[in-house]
Parts: sequence; C-alpha cells; structure tokens
Amino acid sequence: DIQMTQSPASLSASVGDRVTITCRSSQYISTFLNWYKLKPGEAPNLLISAASNLQPGVSSRFGGSGSGTEFTLTITSLQPEDFATYYCQQAYSNPLTFGGGTKVDIK
Amino acid sequence: QVQLQESSPGLVKPSETLSLTCTVSGYSIKNGFYWGWIRQPPGKGLELIGSVYYTGSSYYNPSLKSRVAISMATSSNQISLQLQSVTAADTAVYYCARLHGIMGTKIDFWGQGILVPVSS
Repeated sequence: DIQMTQSPASLSASVGDRVTITCRSSQYISTFLNWYKLKPGEAPNLLISAASNLQPGVSSRFGGSGSGTEFTLTITSLQPEDFATYYCQQAYSNPLTFGGGTKVDIK
Repeated sequence: QVQLQESSPGLVKPSETLSLTCTVSGYSIKNGFYWGWIRQPPGKGLELIGSVYYTGSSYYNPSLKSRVAISMATSSNQISLQLQSVTAADTAVYYCARLHGIMGTKIDFWGQGILVPVSS
C-alpha cells in the first residue's frame, strides 16, 4: 500500500492567516492526489482533485500544488468555517489511502 | 444534489456481524459510479473498506477482504455493508460515499457518517 504522510499533524492559526499543509507519498503518484475537509457531524467535503483542480463550489482561497511525491494544500486567508481537519488521499493505486490528517484550530 | 444517509445499527457485540445501510437520494445508483464505504476509528485516520458497481463488480481493501461484503439494491437505491466477526478495533465512524473515476478516483459525495461502537 502507498503510505501518505501529512505535516503538521495540527496547527493553530488566526482568521486571515495563510496556512500550508504538506502531504508526502511513499512512492511516485504523479498528480493523483485529492484533498478533503472534515468537520465533526458533517459530511466530508472534496476540495481539490488531481493535486490542483479546485472542485465546483469550493472557495478560491483553497489551492493545491505538487506532483510526484510531495503535495501542498494552501488556504490563503483562513475563515472561521475553515477550522477543521484536512486529509490528503492518493488515487494512484488500490487500495486508496489517506494521510493521517491535519487539524487546523483557532489560535 | 446527491445525498447519502447511513442508517444506525446501534451497538454491535464482539464476534457479531456489523450491518449498515446507506440510502442515496438525488441520483440513481444504477446509472453509474462506484459506491462504497470508508471508516475512521476514534483518533485515527480514514480507511477505505471497499466499493461496488451496479454490475456487481467490487473492490475490497485487502486488509478487510476476508470479512467484508458490500452490496447494492438498485430498486431502493441503497448500498449495504456487512462486516463479520467484529472486534473493538472495528469501532469507527462509518461513511458511505460515491467514488468518481477508475483512474484518479476521487470521493465526491459522502454521507455524514455514523459511529458504530463494538462492545459487549
């Protein structure tokens, strides 16, 4: 299985901050990388597919980049609704696997 | 808008079979896509359990394959999960979801998830 490693595991930030989350894969996955946002009690939300494709309806303050084995999710100006846990997921080979998550909370 | 809703089995005892149903609205599951289950144990990450296509084609995570069955009921637009011989390690939030694409699979619609405790 491809192992996905996210960093940091958690971070504290303020509204308006720029936040960067990194995801690394244990082997080459091209750009087959998706990002999700999870909040307790809510359905998870797909933010970005194929490393950098913003999903319809997702705010443009979210951006994704990277290829190969290293990827980044950036939130340019953190909003109150962005405090959540973010997960990356590789889509290169079965079984699909996820990173351990990055919890973004209020400083 | 596609919506998915998991049903609650309540408490499941060790060694029993966990059974969950997911009702899909806003899309007919026989029209395509893989439909599956993902779980998240408390304090841990997400794990794909498996998925199924309306033709009957299925994929199961090798880590769970010997204990899992996922099926579809197109007449009621539902997806079901059965996980046999459960232990406390199977306590998790279980999500049903739509999987989009064969290559570069993304999970574009999810249910809210349901916590299933395994305890005697």
